[in-house]
Amino acid sequence: DAGVIQSPRHEVTEMGQEVTLRCKPISGHDYLFWYRQTMMRGLELLIYFNNNVPIDDSGMPEDRFSAKMPNASFSNLKIQPSEPRDSAVYFCASSGTGGLPVSYNEQFFGPGTRLTVL
Amino acid sequence: SQKIEQNSEALNIQEGKTATLTCNYTNYSPAYLQWYRQDPGRGPVFLLLIRENEKEKRKERLKVTFDTTLKQSLFHITASQPADSATYLCALDSGSARQLTFGSGTQLTVLP
Repeated sequence: DAGVIQSPRHEVTEMGQEVTLRCKPISGHDYLFWYRQTMMRGLELLIYFNNNVPIDDSGMPEDRFSAKMPNASFSNLKIQPSEPRDSAVYFCASSGTGGLPVSYNEQFFGPGTRLTVL
Repeated sequence: SQKIEQNSEALNIQEGKTATLTCNYTNYSPAYLQWYRQDPGRGPVFLLLIRENEKEKRKERLKVTFDTTLKQSLFHITASQPADSATYLCALDSGSARQLTFGSGTQLTVLP
């Protein structure tokens, strides 16, 4: 398996523009997570899905952020409109729980998307 | 409020020595605690998981301890090598949905 795939790897955009980040989880994994990492705040969970259904989106900063998982092979995270304070590295991760608690299983992270909003 | 603290942002040690990294938490009662390694420009990579009823876990040169009374986990790398240089993150389960919450990480540099 190729691991978790994220695209694009780098994104530079101007304030006010819509940004779409994409993720392909590892085949067979039933959990998908979106994280954001900054120097100031570290690695923060934004939202996670179980079997394509959003379970906890309490980490989503505000209404400008949205995430969907239309099928088991794809998820996207959208920011509209983008702001400079959204600049960060966004990671997607997936895990296969086998019925065990989600926090018991290792998460497999993608390479991340480095977003810069000018 | 809930908090996870990892010791000093950066830790430098000499090759061959044992590196000890600390993860302290407050206002959590995690059932599991995980450690990850992150290299620059890459996503975190899972290293070890330890359960609340386990005192110690080992994997090759790595050892993790978990003291639920002290609310602390220690992560040891014995016979450290320059290739061990990276940022190490602890993560514990938290919240009603028991998802993982990550600490801010400790940047370890092993000097040759």
